[in-house]
Amino acid sequence: GAGVSQTPSNKVTEKGKYVELRCDPISGHTALYWYRQSLGQGPEFLIYFQGTGAADDSGLPNDRFFAVRPEGSVSTLKIQRTERGDSAVYLCASSLPGGFGYTFGSGTRLTVV
Amino acid sequence: SQQGEEDPQALSIQEGENATMNCSYKTSINNLQWYRQNSGRGLVHLILIRSNEREKHSGRLRVTLDTSKKSSSLLITASRAADTASYFCATDEGGGNKLTFGTGTQLKVEL
Repeated sequence: GAGVSQTPSNKVTEKGKYVELRCDPISGHTALYWYRQSLGQGPEFLIYFQGTGAADDSGLPNDRFFAVRPEGSVSTLKIQRTERGDSAVYLCASSLPGGFGYTFGSGTRLTVV
Repeated sequence: SQQGEEDPQALSIQEGENATMNCSYKTSINNLQWYRQNSGRGLVHLILIRSNEREKHSGRLRVTLDTSKKSSSLLITASRAADTASYFCATDEGGGNKLTFGTGTQLKVEL
């Protein structure tokens, strides 16, 4: 596609529920990244995929967070047993190898009530 | 964890004035980038400066990098109301493709 697409744009869920956030990267971008941004802060790195594999998942805060990219294109960030502290904007970005053409999506605003 | 600190946290200026924001980082880098964010959503890439460059220009933007001081500045000349946004610096933490962002500067340009 022309840009990085993230769905849904907004998600409200109850504490304890499971959520999935989707990212559709720019066609041909082999690298895909997830970031989380809390109010008033800069984005914080969560996980980075090169192709289908997670090249770096050091930013995932705990084992409730998991991400997949089974065919090397679309990625899904999965959060189990959501907590109010998970409320944030979740940003996805994609790039060519080496980080060239780094492009962000518009994000998913997750609110856990 | 966030590496960079940005200064000031918030800046309010009149249209036509210049806006300068600063960023400091902690470890060695290969490059530093500046991004703009409107309304807390998607980030737009503005400019990238490599560690062997000292200054770079793009339109009304001027970026400087001082690797000895581990700092960078972004200057927006002749600001416009449409420049109102949050601005973030981001570094590559000495390698890899993940970015480490600063805390951001909220710029408000008033008519």
